Amino acid sequence: DTVLTQSPALAVSLGQRVTISCRASKSVSTYMHWYQQKSGQQPKLLIYSASNLESGVPSRFSGSGSGTDFTLTIDPVEADDIANYYCQQSNELPLTFGSGTKLEIK
Amino acid sequence: EVQLVESGGGLVQPGASLKLSCVASGFTFSDYWMSWVRQTPGKTMEWIGDIKYDGSYTNYAPSLKNRFTISRDNAKSTLYLQMSNVRSEDTATYYCTRHNYGVMDAWGQGASVTVSS
Repeated sequence: DTVLTQSPALAVSLGQRVTISCRASKSVSTYMHWYQQKSGQQPKLLIYSASNLESGVPSRFSGSGSGTDFTLTIDPVEADDIANYYCQQSNELPLTFGSGTKLEIK
Repeated sequence: EVQLVESGGGLVQPGASLKLSCVASGFTFSDYWMSWVRQTPGKTMEWIGDIKYDGSYTNYAPSLKNRFTISRDNAKSTLYLQMSNVRSEDTATYYCTRHNYGVMDAWGQGASVTVSS
């Protein structure tokens, strides 16, 4: 299985830029996607295929990377962005998720 | 508006069976692959499996393949997850998702399943 590794938590000040990383245990090309999950809600797709912004998602979210290293960037961070962020690969079955990064405000 | 509504969760005893349903609306259900994903109380996300748009093919996570079965009824726009011989580690929130080339672009609100005696 492809293991995805994320940092458990990040603290950022409002208005600043934050990058959330995801590292894959093997190359997934650009078959990496990012989801946001706010407290008590279902996950929501933000970025698909590494760098494509899902319709309706604010342009302050962006994604980059290929192979094994990927980043989700939020610039600038707003209070509404407090959530857990998960990466997920679809290069091979089984589909796998990262353990999530909790974004906190300083 | 795309909507996915799960039902059928609850408290179940170890070793029992349970069937979850997910009713879809706002899109042509029969055009899409669908998946089930679960999230443990510790927030770990696990893909359970998926089913082709016509119901003719399924994929499963190897660790769950022998106990979980995914099916669908396109006439009712409904996705199902049959869980058998449930264990305490199956305690989770179960999400129905629309699956678009490996991307889960719509999620239900989730159905909570607790396995306990």
